[in-house]
Amino acid sequence: LAKTTQPISMDSYEGQEVNITCSHNNIATNDYITWYQQFPSQGPRFIIQGYKTKVTNEVASLFIPADRKSSTLSLPRVSLSDTAVYYCLVGDSLSGGYNKLIFGAGTRLAVHP
Amino acid sequence: DAGVTQSPTHLIKTRGQQVTLRCSPKSGHDTVSWYQQALGQGPQFIFQYYEEEERQRGNFPDRFSGHQFPNYSSELNVNALLLGDSALYLCASSRTLESSYEQYFGPGTRLTVT
Repeated sequence: LAKTTQPISMDSYEGQEVNITCSHNNIATNDYITWYQQFPSQGPRFIIQGYKTKVTNEVASLFIPADRKSSTLSLPRVSLSDTAVYYCLVGDSLSGGYNKLIFGAGTRLAVHP
Repeated sequence: DAGVTQSPTHLIKTRGQQVTLRCSPKSGHDTVSWYQQALGQGPQFIFQYYEEEERQRGNFPDRFSGHQFPNYSSELNVNALLLGDSALYLCASSRTLESSYEQYFGPGTRLTVT
């Protein structure tokens, strides 16, 4: 599975848009990019998954450039409740249910009033 | 629909003891994965169970073992506990036939080894 690099921490204010970028220079052709969110003392929660270009759901958007060596998770108009650790993962979804998630240290996002 | 449930919530054990943690997957899910999360770090994959068999294993010693029951629930057993085994143990469930990285995590069991 490709190794990922993301900022250790970020700070933002309520109402702002937050963009967290993840580098995955060794991403393979079959690899998908997935983001998880984790609040203190809780298990991680799936946010979004994509392969290329842009994916949007009710929570976030995921931007993936053509070379796929990086990706950006965009959180629109964050609130205090978005304070959490965000993990970027890269792996081969074509292996179906053989989904072994490899987490890095993640990005600690702190949203301030 | 209940999500992934884990028991107990917290546990305190002494070095050398054995512990069993339990997990019930989300309804409709047939695959259970276990992760260990030390304080301040991301979760680390321990192993995954499907059809009552260990399908994949991470870099954990044989002291860590598991089981999956016919109803898809699972247990994680750790023998000869070490201080370094203190961590949050997370269970995640998914459906094998889905080609997705979306796994549903439980709230975890906080294990403290003294």
